[in-house]
Amino acid sequence: AQTVTQSQPEMSVQEAETVTLSCTYDTSESDYYLFWYKQPPSRQMILVIRQEAYKQQNATENRFSVNFQKAAKSFSLKISDSQLGDAAMYFCAYRRNDMRFGAGTRLTVKP
Amino acid sequence: DTGVSQDPRHKITKRGQNVTFRCDPISEHNRLYWYRQTLGQGPEFLTYFQNEAQLEKSRLLSDRFSAERPKGSFSTLEIQRTEQGDSAMYLCASAEGYEQYFGPGTRLTVT
Repeated sequence: AQTVTQSQPEMSVQEAETVTLSCTYDTSESDYYLFWYKQPPSRQMILVIRQEAYKQQNATENRFSVNFQKAAKSFSLKISDSQLGDAAMYFCAYRRNDMRFGAGTRLTVKP
Repeated sequence: DTGVSQDPRHKITKRGQNVTFRCDPISEHNRLYWYRQTLGQGPEFLTYFQNEAQLEKSRLLSDRFSAERPKGSFSTLEIQRTEQGDSAMYLCASAEGYEQYFGPGTRLTVT
């Protein structure tokens, strides 16, 4: 079974600084997708960034980038120039057939 | 189209009662997913549909749970004989490609 582990229940960052959220996963598959989702308080889950396992190049979306280490089964999210609106729960997810989520990391952004 | 919608947003029921939730996906999306999310955890996969066919069910989906998507459009999730352990947020997501678009969820409280 595939499992997704987020070892940081909570993280804090100063506005305009950079923060990295960690994620590891366990799978025997070679072809899959990885995602980071953001869930603001009392709001819907939205996709932040995705990575196809067959792509070696790390995905980037504006201030958000990932460090995908396939051999290590690691998929961390870096948020640059953090903004107050980045405060939310962040979930790492793995998808082969169904989607498996980690337990989440609560990010606080300090002004 | 304004995205995935779910109804009701909140439901309070007494133990032993049956409840039904509805999800309206984004109209052109052929895949629809149900998840359960408890406080402090990531969403857990329950089941998914490709058009009207239910293709996968999690072992979390006990025989008290049933889901339908009769015409490949909206879907319903019914829980029979609710238990206090069923209290959770029930999320629906729809997808055409790799990205799943989530609805706002239905928060179920079983008293």
